[in-house]
Amino acid sequence: GQQLNQSPQSMFIQEGEDVSMNCTSSSIFNTWLWYKQDPGEGPVLLIALYKAGELTSNGRLTAQFGITRKDSFLNISASIPSDVGIYFCAGLRGGSQGNLIFGKGTKLSVKP
Amino acid sequence: NAGVTQTPKFQVLKTGQSMTLQCAQDMNHNSMYWYRQDPGMGLRLIYYSASEGTTDKGEVPNGYNVSRLNKREFSLRLESAAPSQTSVYFCASSEAWGRAYNSPLHFGNGTRLTVT
Repeated sequence: GQQLNQSPQSMFIQEGEDVSMNCTSSSIFNTWLWYKQDPGEGPVLLIALYKAGELTSNGRLTAQFGITRKDSFLNISASIPSDVGIYFCAGLRGGSQGNLIFGKGTKLSVKP
Repeated sequence: NAGVTQTPKFQVLKTGQSMTLQCAQDMNHNSMYWYRQDPGMGLRLIYYSASEGTTDKGEVPNGYNVSRLNKREFSLRLESAAPSQTSVYFCASSEAWGRAYNSPLHFGNGTRLTVT
């Protein structure tokens, strides 16, 4: 089936540092989503991207929908301890949510 | 506003036992979903219900059944649990099925199931 390659798998960074992670696929997607999962909780939507080339921010988070429509990037600026968690990308080819494909996640650890 | 509520939070089963995972949402959403999350595997869709009265298989439906009891509730049943079904199960809901725009998935906090 379709796969999303999310990297890196994990990151250990110092508080205050910037973070970058990405998701790539061999298939074209019409929508890219980024979720964050805190320990013991369900994923929560951070940013949704609907157009190729789109750049969207949510506070210190910025995500981009790649021009080729086969990739997406998430950046976190000036990380803080509460950024700890697992970040998932998800891609959607058609309009229906049943076709949503999740990446395997990037686990972020932040040292105070 | 509770959002999506899942019960139980934890469960241990022996191989061959059956159980039902419960999910309820109070957001008047039309669509509901069951995912499983395994280490290093991301989230995989088990079953979904686009609207009340309909259910369909997702990516990994084998060994599971679902019931959309009403608009609020969507349950997942394991008839004969197997160790391969040890996982964290997430229920989610969304306002609409036919469009991804402005209709994000809202997840519950998960049920952690261990099958021995």
